[in-house]
Amino acid sequence: QSALTQPASVSGSPGQSSTISCSGTSSDVGSYDLVSWYQQHPGKAPKLIIYEATKRPSGVSNRFSGSKSGNTASLTISGLQAEDEADYFCCSYAGSSVVFGGGTKLTVL
Amino acid sequence: QVQLQESGPGLVRPSQTLSLTCTVSGGSISGGGYYWSWIRQHPGKGLQWIGYMSHSGSPYYNPSLKSRVTISVDTSENLFSLKLNSVTVADTAVYYCARLSSSSVSFDIWGQGTLVTVSS
Repeated sequence: QSALTQPASVSGSPGQSSTISCSGTSSDVGSYDLVSWYQQHPGKAPKLIIYEATKRPSGVSNRFSGSKSGNTASLTISGLQAEDEADYFCCSYAGSSVVFGGGTKLTVL
Repeated sequence: QVQLQESGPGLVRPSQTLSLTCTVSGGSISGGGYYWSWIRQHPGKGLQWIGYMSHSGSPYYNPSLKSRVTISVDTSENLFSLKLNSVTVADTAVYYCARLSSSSVSFDIWGQGTLVTVSS
């Protein structure tokens, strides 16, 4: 059970968009649309922002969107704001287990 | 509004057993549709799934930890627990309890997390 692959860091200027990729295999991301994304600010617990690859929980800004193609899922944050600066983790169902990505630090320049 | 709260020792000696409890408030752990989960985060690192179980089913564990982990659910007390045997300094981490939706397989509610340090 290997971790999903995410870039260590991404950055963007306020108002721009930024996309974070999450690469898995045919045993996890490629087999299920059960990919979720979490936002974590320093010292805080993770917060669910995307589930089932593309859906947003109630209360999550529509600036966050998810997609999936093959073995790779992606999180796009549009209209970047200072408050979006955080760590982001993807997670996928892998058949009776789940696997997380290594996390991506988003810096808003 | 369901809330989760971890509790347990913040310091554990090497080779001993790490024991944590997660108290569920604002809802019943027996409600169905969820798995009750433990996740940890090593300092400055990513998230690692430890395991989960429903209120009535069998547990599922991360294969890399399976030989040392036990997760149990106490429906009478509305809480669930984690035991990790034979700990080493590599088990030092922030431990989170979380609720996993069985339909979407997403962790929709998290506890605040508790730092457990393994040290002599």
